[in-house]
Amino acid sequence: QQQVKQSPQSLIVQKGGISIINCAYENTAFDYFPWYQQFPGKGPALLIAIRPDVSEKKEGRFTISFNKSAKQFSLHIMDSQPGDSATYFCAANGGYNKLIFGAGTRLAVHP
Amino acid sequence: NAGVTQTPKFQVLKTGQSMTLQCAQDMNHNSMYWYRQDPGMGLRLIYYSASEGTTDKGEVPNGYNVSRLNKREFSLRLESAAPSQTSVYFCASMGQGGTEAFFGQGTRLTVV
Repeated sequence: QQQVKQSPQSLIVQKGGISIINCAYENTAFDYFPWYQQFPGKGPALLIAIRPDVSEKKEGRFTISFNKSAKQFSLHIMDSQPGDSATYFCAANGGYNKLIFGAGTRLAVHP
Repeated sequence: NAGVTQTPKFQVLKTGQSMTLQCAQDMNHNSMYWYRQDPGMGLRLIYYSASEGTTDKGEVPNGYNVSRLNKREFSLRLESAAPSQTSVYFCASMGQGGTEAFFGQGTRLTVV
C-alpha cells in the first residue's frame, strides 16, 4: 500500500496550458513535501518543495498548493512548455529522513 | 564535483546469481537511500540509512540486503537474483537538513 498516492499516471497538455498533478498522503508525521522532475535516462532532481505550515509556494511557473486538513497537495505548471515534458514525482519526508515517493506522472507537452 | 556515483550502470544477471550495487557520495551527507523504479510503480524505497551505522527497511526490502560501509558508501546486495528484481535502481543521498535528495544516474538491472 503506497503511503503517497499520485494521479494522474499520465498527462497530455498543449503548449501554454496548465498542468496539474495531485498527491495525497496518509501519514500525518510527514513534514516536508517535495516534487521531483525526471528526464529519460537521468535520476530525479528536486523541482520545488513545501512544508505543511504554508498553503502555497510558487517558484517561477511552478506552484505547490497544500491542503493539510485534506492531506493533499498538488503541483501546478503554468504556461507549460515542451521542455517540461518529463516524469514528475511527489514525495513526503517524515521522521529520520525517510523519503517516500508517489508513483509518478508522465507529462507530455505538445507544441 | 561527482555528487552521487553508482556502479555499474548496466548489468544482466542469471536467476540465482548474486551481485552488489555500489553507491558513493562526496557531499558529506548523513542519509542515503536505495530505490527501485518500475513502470507505473514510481520510486519505491528498498532500504535507507539515516546516518552512518544505521540501516532501516523501506517499502520493498525483501530479497535485498544493504551495508553502510562508511559515511560515503552505501551498497545494495542481491543474494539470489530473481526476474522480479529486474528494474532500474537509484541510489540517493540527503544532507542533515533533509530538504533535497541527490540521485545517482541509476543502474539498469535485468535478471533472466
